[in-house]
Amino acid sequence: DGGITQSPKYLFRKEGQNVTLSCEQNLNHDAMYWYRQDPGQGLRLIYYSQIVNDFQKGDIAEGYSVSREKKESFPLTVTSAQKNPTAFYLCASTTRDGQPQHFGDGTRLSIL
Amino acid sequence: DQQVKQNSPSLSVQEGRISILNCDYTNSMFDYFLWYKKYPAEGPTFLISISSIKDKNEDGRFTVFLNKSAKHLSLHIVPSQPGDSAVYFCAASAIEYGNKLVFGAGTILRVKS
Repeated sequence: DGGITQSPKYLFRKEGQNVTLSCEQNLNHDAMYWYRQDPGQGLRLIYYSQIVNDFQKGDIAEGYSVSREKKESFPLTVTSAQKNPTAFYLCASTTRDGQPQHFGDGTRLSIL
Repeated sequence: DQQVKQNSPSLSVQEGRISILNCDYTNSMFDYFLWYKKYPAEGPTFLISISSIKDKNEDGRFTVFLNKSAKHLSLHIVPSQPGDSAVYFCAASAIEYGNKLVFGAGTILRVKS
């Protein structure tokens, strides 16, 4: 059964700590995306990748880093430079021809 | 600068009646529009889309209307069901921007039985 898996579902970060959110897809999609959702706001694009070993910054990339070493995986690292990391993080993927993006079920990150 | 706006934070509708969710955009380069539905603690699921070359697209109980001159689109749900209660996000994209999605803030729909 194809889909996007995000883990963990809940994550807690201590001050000054880097944490990595996992996103894996078995849909054979070329493009993958990371969004952040805050209460009362829409989804904002953090980073995206159209192809393996290549990625671009989205609208709010500061304090985040990504890698795309494999087609099916697009992990997001929330670094200590991200001063307001508490949010709901969503990963999405799609084909290269612009079909609607499929989303994972998200990771909720909180600060201890 | 919000390029996609959903000005109604919430909407309450009686079961069986029509739900109309609205969305406005400012960027005339947008050429593809989508509606996503989201339940709490889950990812959004794709509902329906429309290309800028059309003014209407229908899928079962869901119809999206696009008014390009007004830069406005709406989602109609008829008849509304309690299971439709969720947050609905409008999103827009443009080929020129690599098909990246720009989302509105969402509208909470509550369908009362």
